[in-house]
Amino acid sequence: DGGITQSPKYLFRKEGQNVTLSCEQNLNHDAMYWYRQDPGQGLRLIYYSQIVNDFQKGDIAEGYSVSREKKESFPLTVTSAQKNPTAFYLCASSMAIPQEQFFGPGTRLTVL
Amino acid sequence: GENVEQHPSTLSVQEGDSAVIKCTYSDSASNYFPWYKQELGKGPQLIIDIRSNVGEKKDQRIAVTLNKTAKHFSLHITETQPEDSAVYFCAAIGGFQKLVFGTGTRLLVSP
Repeated sequence: DGGITQSPKYLFRKEGQNVTLSCEQNLNHDAMYWYRQDPGQGLRLIYYSQIVNDFQKGDIAEGYSVSREKKESFPLTVTSAQKNPTAFYLCASSMAIPQEQFFGPGTRLTVL
Repeated sequence: GENVEQHPSTLSVQEGDSAVIKCTYSDSASNYFPWYKQELGKGPQLIIDIRSNVGEKKDQRIAVTLNKTAKHFSLHITETQPEDSAVYFCAAIGGFQKLVFGTGTRLLVSP
């Protein structure tokens, strides 16, 4: 069953803690993306990766970090430097840039 | 960079009516325009897309039109059904080949 999986679905963290969100795809896509979605707003690009071992900052990269050691995996770390991390985080992938992007089910992060 | 504006933010229709959502973009070099449907608590799902070399594309009850001169594109849903209720996002390819999203339209179809 091909697709994108994100885990966990809900995540709670205390202020000052780093947290890592998982994103895995078995679509054999080269490109992967992380977006942030806040209530009533569109999706904003955090980081993207066109190929393994390479990634670029998106529009709101401050306070976030990523790695792309494997083609199928693109984890996102929300660091304590992110001032307002509570949001819905979406991972996506595509064959290449620009191509149709497929989205995962999302992770809702809440900072307590 | 690219800027995408989407209207309306909320749209309520009766079942069976048509719904139209409009988007404008700023970068005349943009050449790919997808539309996504997002149900509550889920990730967006691509429902239709159009490239700049065509003016219209249709898939059953859904159609998208593109006016490159005016830099706007629209989503048309005919014979709406309650299961069409969701948030719809338009997007356009901007600088560095990144997708830029509109702010979304919440569509409510009442039985």
